[in-house]
Amino acid sequence: AQSVTQLGSHVSVSEGALVLLRCNYSSSVPPYLFWYVQYPNQGLQLLLKYTSAATLVKGINGFEAEFKKSETSFHLTKPSAHMSDAAEYFCAVSYNQGGKLIFGQGTELSVKP
Amino acid sequence: KAGVTQTPRYLIKTRGQQVTLSCSPISGHRSVSWYQQTPGQGLQFLFEYFSETQRNKGNFPGRFSGRQFSNSRSEMNVSTLELGDSALYLCASSLGGSSPTDTQYFGPGTRLTVL
Repeated sequence: AQSVTQLGSHVSVSEGALVLLRCNYSSSVPPYLFWYVQYPNQGLQLLLKYTSAATLVKGINGFEAEFKKSETSFHLTKPSAHMSDAAEYFCAVSYNQGGKLIFGQGTELSVKP
Repeated sequence: KAGVTQTPRYLIKTRGQQVTLSCSPISGHRSVSWYQQTPGQGLQFLFEYFSETQRNKGNFPGRFSGRQFSNSRSEMNVSTLELGDSALYLCASSLGGSSPTDTQYFGPGTRLTVL
């Protein structure tokens, strides 16, 4: 079955530290991959998406992700965390099934001053 | 351009009742997808409508249904509510083309509480 795994339901970093949120997919066919962010009491906002044009994808707010087929991964990184980055982050995949996204369980990011 | 809007934002119902949620997509978007978000199951795909037709469906019981109107607005209905239906229901709209990388834009959600 197609699925997405996000390692770590909670990640805590200090302000200014590197942010690394992990995402792995399970499929022999590489999917299309997305990272979304959700702030409290809000919907999801797209950070970036992998469309096979380039393996390193840059998104909004300084985030980027690298698609690694050999590792079936699409980890999200940001060089320097900011307090405003505290939110829940979701990795999602799409497999040519129209408007159907399969989401990971989410990772809550906390940023300590 | 206005974003995706969902009404109502909050809803409280009792078991056995039915409920209808509404979603207005971004102007020009023809696809509307619905998702259920709960602490235990996370985000799960319910169904997608494109040009008034259900194009894709998740693994939910028949109590969950939807429809789309000619102006692309969509409604979702849940009949015979159960306690487990308490969730945040998110609607997302997209242009609706055949590309799997079509970006979905999410609304703020409707928080449904079933007592």
